[in-house]
Amino acid sequence: GAGVSQSPSNKVTEKGKDVELRCDPISGHTALYWYRQSLGQGLEFLIYFQGNSAPDKSGLPSDRFSAERTGGSVSTLTIQRTQQEDSAVYLCASKDRNNEKLFFGSGTQLSVL
Amino acid sequence: AQSVTQLDSQVPVFEEAPVELRCNYSSSVSVYLFWYVQYPNQGLQLLLKYLSGSTLVESINGFEAEFNKSQTSFHLRKPSVHISDTAEYFCAASVKNSDDKIIFGKGTRLHILP
Repeated sequence: GAGVSQSPSNKVTEKGKDVELRCDPISGHTALYWYRQSLGQGLEFLIYFQGNSAPDKSGLPSDRFSAERTGGSVSTLTIQRTQQEDSAVYLCASKDRNNEKLFFGSGTQLSVL
Repeated sequence: AQSVTQLDSQVPVFEEAPVELRCNYSSSVSVYLFWYVQYPNQGLQLLLKYLSGSTLVESINGFEAEFNKSQTSFHLRKPSVHISDTAEYFCAASVKNSDDKIIFGKGTRLHILP
């Protein structure tokens, strides 16, 4: 597949449980972003990985949120002790360093009951 | 840090009428500017971008946007909209020539009325 792949596409969880969302970027893309899309809030920046640099975590809403990117490729966004307000679509995007165009995945729809 | 403001959350417009979707940015340094579009039940995709050069940029489906440095704006326009333009439109910015993050506005939902 040539695009950004996210899994699962849908996740329903109970309040208080931990969830892991996966993003597989386009091969060779050095930059990887996580955004959160919810009604009325647009695309909220969460975290940004660029090559081997320390990630920009300035958008993470609380310490329950964390992300890692292993081997400069696949990334996992982890939400601990989920709350109902965490319900949203979580989008991953990647780009090449020499191209300013972001390629988005289809997102993970997270529902916290 | 830069920020992006889209003043209108929803814009209704009749088919074949002109439309303008407003975007303003705030940054103390030079920026790249983008418009992304999300059609119903589809993923986000790049519509057009301003990196340098001509301040007027165009997309393949008739949209255009003009970078106005003095007004810190990058409004999106189309002279005649079609029902297929129904979508949510997001303005975005990033600091020029840096590895800084790309920040999005809250989006504008364009409703085309028959």
